[in-house]
Amino acid sequence: GQSLEQPSEVTAVEGAIVQINCTYQTSGFYGLSWYQQHDGGAPTFLSYNALDGLEETGRFSSFLSRSDSYGYLLLQELQMKDSASYFCAVPDLTGKLIFGQGTTLQVKP
Amino acid sequence: KAGVTQTPRYLIKTRGQQVTLSCSPISGHRSVSWYQQTPGQGLQFLFEYFSETQRNKGNFPGRFSGRQFSNSRSEMNVSTLELGDSALYLCASSLGRKNTEAFFGQGTRLTVV
Repeated sequence: GQSLEQPSEVTAVEGAIVQINCTYQTSGFYGLSWYQQHDGGAPTFLSYNALDGLEETGRFSSFLSRSDSYGYLLLQELQMKDSASYFCAVPDLTGKLIFGQGTTLQVKP
Repeated sequence: KAGVTQTPRYLIKTRGQQVTLSCSPISGHRSVSWYQQTPGQGLQFLFEYFSETQRNKGNFPGRFSGRQFSNSRSEMNVSTLELGDSALYLCASSLGRKNTEAFFGQGTRLTVV
């Protein structure tokens, strides 16, 4: 079956850089996605990696290593508004999107 | 372009009742997926519809059912509600079959009392 592992909580200070890791086990692989969810809000799409390497979108970057079944989300110049839950997700062979349990990021002043 | 719309936003029901939740996907999106989110359980997949056909189903009892209409709008029904069904129910739409980028609605917060 499919499973994704990510840390449950991460704390960092404003202005810092934080990395949220995700390891996955899937029977097929079509790419790794990241979503952000603020308290009481809907998950919003952040990034998608289909190939190895780093994808940068502003302050956020996402990395994938298919040989290691591993990826991470890198958040730079942290702001208070980045406090949220972050989920990694992979589609399985049928297209169903499987989510990790989520990492709660707390940004402190 | 309008986002994913879910109605109602909040719902309070009594044990044993049934409930129907609605989701209107982004125009042109043919895939609609439903998730249950509870504290500590993350996003649990319920089912996915693509072009009016159920393509995937999660590990939920038969009390949970859904359908998709020809305009891609989807409904989810839960019968014989239990206290444990209290959760945020999220709908996500995507363009194609691989769901590499899903767009979520604001969810329906269901409370069963």
